[in-house]
Formats: sequence, C-alpha cells, structure tokens
Amino acid sequence: KNQVEQSPQSLIILEGKNCTLQCNYTVSPFSNLRWYKQDTGRGPVSLTIMTFSENTKSNGRYTATLDADTKQSSLHITASQLSDSASYICVVDGRSGTYKYIFGTGTRLKVLA
Amino acid sequence: DAGVIQSPRHEVTEMGQEVTLRCKPISGHDYLFWYRQTMMRGLELLIYFNNNVPIDDSGMPEDRFSAKMPNASFSTLKIQPSEPRDSAVYFCASSSGTQLTDTQYFGPGTRLTVL
Repeated sequence: KNQVEQSPQSLIILEGKNCTLQCNYTVSPFSNLRWYKQDTGRGPVSLTIMTFSENTKSNGRYTATLDADTKQSSLHITASQLSDSASYICVVDGRSGTYKYIFGTGTRLKVLA
Repeated sequence: DAGVIQSPRHEVTEMGQEVTLRCKPISGHDYLFWYRQTMMRGLELLIYFNNNVPIDDSGMPEDRFSAKMPNASFSTLKIQPSEPRDSAVYFCASSSGTQLTDTQYFGPGTRLTVL
C-alpha cells in the first residue's frame, strides 16, 4: 500500500535551534518528493522538489535530503525563526503517466522565543 | 501577479444545498489542481486539469462532486447536494513547466462548512 509517514507529529523548539523532520514512504513507482510549508489558515508553499537522483536540495535555511534506496527523506531547518512555526507536509508523487500524490499527515512545528 | 485566487474564502451552507467554489489560476499556468484538506485525512488531490482538460478525477469522492474548467483562467468545483462530511478547506493550485520539476502555487483556500 502506498503510504507516506511523517515524524514527529509535532515538535516544539526554541528560536535559533536546528531541527530535523522525517518522512518515510512506501510509494512505488516513485517520481519525485516534495516538501511544503503551510502556515495556519493559508495554502501550502513549496519548499523543495527532488527527483530520485537528487540527494540534497537547499532553499535558504531549509535543506531536504532524499535516500531513494531506503525511501527516506528529511527536512532540516537551520537557525529556526518564529516564522518557521507551521505545518510541514511531505508529498510523494508516485506517478506513472499522471500525477499520483500521496500526502503525509504533516509535522506541526512550533518555534518559541 | 496576484497569485491563485479563490472565492469565496468562507462558505456556510445547509445540507442539501448546492455549493460552487471558484478558482482563477496564475496566468500562463497550464495545470490546475483541486485539493481538499481535513483534520482527519489531511490533503487530498481531487482532480487536475491540463490545458483545461480534466486528466485524472480519481480523487473525486462521489458523483456529487464535479469540476469544470471552461477556459484557461477559470475553474469551478461544485458539490450538489452538499453533506456535513464535505466540510473542509478546499484549495486550488496551478503550475507550469515540466512535470518533474513544476512548482505548484496554492490559493488561500475556501473553508466550507455544511450544517
């Protein structure tokens, strides 16, 4: 069964600290993996998109990694800021011709001053 | 660019009523997606269009749901009749570019409450 599991479900950290969010998937075939940030009451915003041949991709203080062999991805946030408080959603595109998005349930991050 | 525009932002209706959600994609984008988000199920892709043509509607939950894209700048998602379990936030997103690297831009969503 195609699944995307994210951990932890929620996380609280102090401003300035680093953190790492995990995403494990069992989706096959695999086309790409996306990380989104969703602020409360707003639509998701794309952070990174990685194909199976990419191991690391950065977007400012956000760095995503992908291990296609173990089917694991992580999102590392460096020097967290209050504005990083949001839900982070991992999405795996298991397409074979058409889009086939499998969504994780997200990690809710809270950054405290 | 104004981004993806959705209307209304909030909709409260009674069970059995027809609901129409509207979306204006970013100009020049040739893909349009409709999503639903609930606490229980998270985000779900309902249907997507390419060049105004529906490509995959396998995510549409029931025949009560229908979506149209009469032109490149407008799409609707209709629920008829609506039921309380349809209460959710409905997002529209658009994208352009190759299928492997396209970034989807989401609208602000429509929060639907069916009483």
